[in-house]
Parts: sequence; C-alpha cells; structure tokens
Amino acid sequence: EDQVTQSPEALRLQEGESSSLNCSYTVSGLRGLFWYRQDPGKGPEFLFTLYSAGEEKEKERLKATLTKKESFLHITAPKPEDSATYLCAVQAPGGSEKLVFGKGTKLTVNP
Amino acid sequence: DAGITQSPRHKVTETGTPVTLRCHQTENHRYMYWYRQDPGHGLRLIHYSYGVKDTDKGEVSDGYSVSRSKTEDFLLTLESATSSQTSVYFCAISDAGARRNTIYFGEGSWLTVV
Repeated sequence: EDQVTQSPEALRLQEGESSSLNCSYTVSGLRGLFWYRQDPGKGPEFLFTLYSAGEEKEKERLKATLTKKESFLHITAPKPEDSATYLCAVQAPGGSEKLVFGKGTKLTVNP
Repeated sequence: DAGITQSPRHKVTETGTPVTLRCHQTENHRYMYWYRQDPGHGLRLIHYSYGVKDTDKGEVSDGYSVSRSKTEDFLLTLESATSSQTSVYFCAISDAGARRNTIYFGEGSWLTVV
C-alpha cells in the first residue's frame, strides 16, 4: 500500500529562520511527487512536481528536493505570508493519475 | 487559476437526504476527481473519472456515487447523507495523457450533515 508521511505535523518559525519540511514515502515505481500549499478555507494550490531522485525545483523562497525515499521542502528566509499547510502527495504507476496524500505540515511564520 | 468551479460551496443538510455536489471545469481535462478532507486524515480519494461515463472508485467510496455525462461536469452524490459524511469536498482535474501532468484543485465544498 502506498504511504506518505509528513513531518513535523506543525512548525513555528520566526521570520527569516530557514527550515525544511519532510515527506517520506513508500510506493512502487514513483511516477511523481507533488507539493501543494493550502491556506485555511481554500483548496490546495500546486507548487511543484518532482519525478526522479536528484531532481530539484525552486519557486521564490521554496525549494523542493527528491531522493528515492523522501522529499524535502526547504524554506529560505520565510515571511509571514508563507504561513500555510504544506501537503505532499505521491502518484503511483498506472493510468489513473490519482494521488495519495500525507496529512500535511502546518507552518506558522511569526513576524 | 485552473478553471474549476464547485457548487454549492456550502451546504447544510439533514441525515438521510440525498445531496449532489457539482464540479465544472473549463480546461477540457480528461481526468476529474473527488476528494474529501478531514482532520487527521488528510485528503482521501472518493471517486475519479478518466473520461465521459468512465469512473472508478477511490479509497473511501462507500455511500457515494458519481456521474460524468459531459467532459466538463463531474457530479458527486451522497445517496443518503450521514453525519460521517460531514466534510470538505474537493474536486480536482488533470491533463493526463501528457507525460508530465499536474493535478489542480477547486476551492472546496463544505458539507454539514445534521
């Protein structure tokens, strides 16, 4: 069974204090690993898809990396507006394109 | 923003009544999904569709049915709503067929069953 575990469940940072969120997964034949941001009362907002170990993608203060067992979302010099829940999901082989999600990491950045 | 519209956005209904949630897309994407999100569980797949009249079950499909008569619309029906179906429901779409696809989500439908 495909599984995704995100840690920590919650993270509080001071503005400018860099850190990383972890997503570990077990899936046979990963097709893609997705990161989403979700604000309260909103739908998940797509951030990145990573397809193979060693791949990295960046967007503003966010950088996602992928190994064969886990992915990290690095947040550099975060700002209060980066506060959100960050979701990780994996896509298994096959034709359904469906995702299996972790439970998310709630990030709070204090000014 | 991906062209996804969910309706209704908020609904309160009574136990035992049928409820239909609608997802409408303007992207002409092949795949459409219904997920539910609950505290402590994250997002879980209910049903998905890979084309008109082609649907399949997800991991939490009991008590739900779906229909897709047009590419742009995907309906989720709770045949007899129960309190355990109080949740936030998200529709998603995907341009499957491309080697590297992205899955986009709608803004959610908040359903309360009393």
